Formats: sequence, structure tokens, C-alpha cells
Amino acid sequence: EVQLVESGGGLVQPGGSLRLSCAASGFTFSSYSMNWVRQAPGKGLEWVSYISTSSSTMYYADSVKGRFTISRDNAKNSLYLQMNSLRAEDTAVYYCARLAAAGMGYFDLWGRGTLVTVSS
Amino acid sequence: SYELTQPPSVSVSPGQTARITCSGDALPKQYAYWYQQKPGQAPVLVIYTDSERPSGIPERFSGSSSGTTVTLTISGVQAEDEADYYCQSADSSGTYVVFGGGTKLTVL
Repeated sequence: EVQLVESGGGLVQPGGSLRLSCAASGFTFSSYSMNWVRQAPGKGLEWVSYISTSSSTMYYADSVKGRFTISRDNAKNSLYLQMNSLRAEDTAVYYCARLAAAGMGYFDLWGRGTLVTVSS
Repeated sequence: SYELTQPPSVSVSPGQTARITCSGDALPKQYAYWYQQKPGQAPVLVIYTDSERPSGIPERFSGSSSGTTVTLTISGVQAEDEADYYCQSADSSGTYVVFGGGTKLTVL
């Protein structure tokens, strides 16, 4: 089955760190660029970060730049998001999302998300 | 930073046509995409490259583009279409992904 499964969410104190993982299966992970998208409780979708197939290119939203780091391990079919210096406003469900075929700008596969709560 | 603007809410009766707009300065240069999201679920793509419909999406969903505005049209709305809808595109450079604020579609 083609799917993405996120893990690693939880409760963390402000200023703390957390590492999210996304396990891909059912498709050739190394052929797709990947992204993280988040959604704060009751709010809209917010793109967080992008990584190319070979990890040569990464982009970040201004709201997380300098604090979050995206990475991937194609041998393990896994995507990661290292989140440091967490703030209350980072509280959200974090989705792993696959960018459709090369040159296409939309997400054609999403995970079910993992909840990150930043609170003391 | 670049923004896409959607109306917060749209309400229609069953069988009527719902139109949800999304405005952004870069839309004449960048494709738009639409997602449907129901409570507690991940988003689902319903329109790509302005007007194409993925397999499995009902024909009542369509998309169009005119200048700086794209529109998602749902013809013959059904109760199951009640959901949040998000447009998505990229900034003028094509580097950064942007989502609209979302529109809550209510089926009366």
C-alpha cells in the first residue's frame, strides 16, 4: 500500500527540541521530493519545509527558518524534521506530504499527521 | 510574504452550485491546486494545474482561472461535500509553497 506514516510528535516545553519522522512505503521514495506541512488547532494549512530527492536542495518557511532542519534517508525510505527552539506557535499537526511527479507543484500523497504540542 | 486570499466561508443548499475563489498576484504565472479537508483527516487533492481533476474525484468538481483569481466550482453540491477547501500555489519564483487561508463550505 502506498502510504506515509508520521511519528515522533508529543508534548514539549518551550525552547525544547523534537524530531519527527515519516516512513514511506509502497512507492520509490528516492524519486520524490518531500515536504512538511503543518496545521495549528482550528487553523489552516501552512507549508513548513521542502527537500529534493537527493537532499541537495532544502527550503523553509520564514516562520521556522534557522530552527527547523529537514532531512531524508533514501536507504531507509524516511523523511525527518528536526525542530529546535520550539515555541507555543509551533503547536500543530505536522503532515508529511509527497510532491507529485517532477515539475508538478502539488501534493498527491499525505500522511495522517502527528501532533506536536509546545507548552509548559 | 506572498499570500493567497480565500473567503472564510461559503454556504449553499444541496443541489446548488458552490464557487470558492482564491486570489493572488502570482496566479497568472503559477498553477493553482485545490484540496478538500474533512475534520480529523488529511487533505485530499481535488483539482490540479488550475482545472484538472484527479482520478476518483467526482465530475461535479471543476476549476478555472482568470487573471489573479482561480475558482473551485462544485456543481450539484451534496451533503458529503461539506468540508474545508484550500487553494495552494507558489510564489512568483516558484520556490515557496503557499496555501490560502481556507474556506469552510457549509451545505445547508
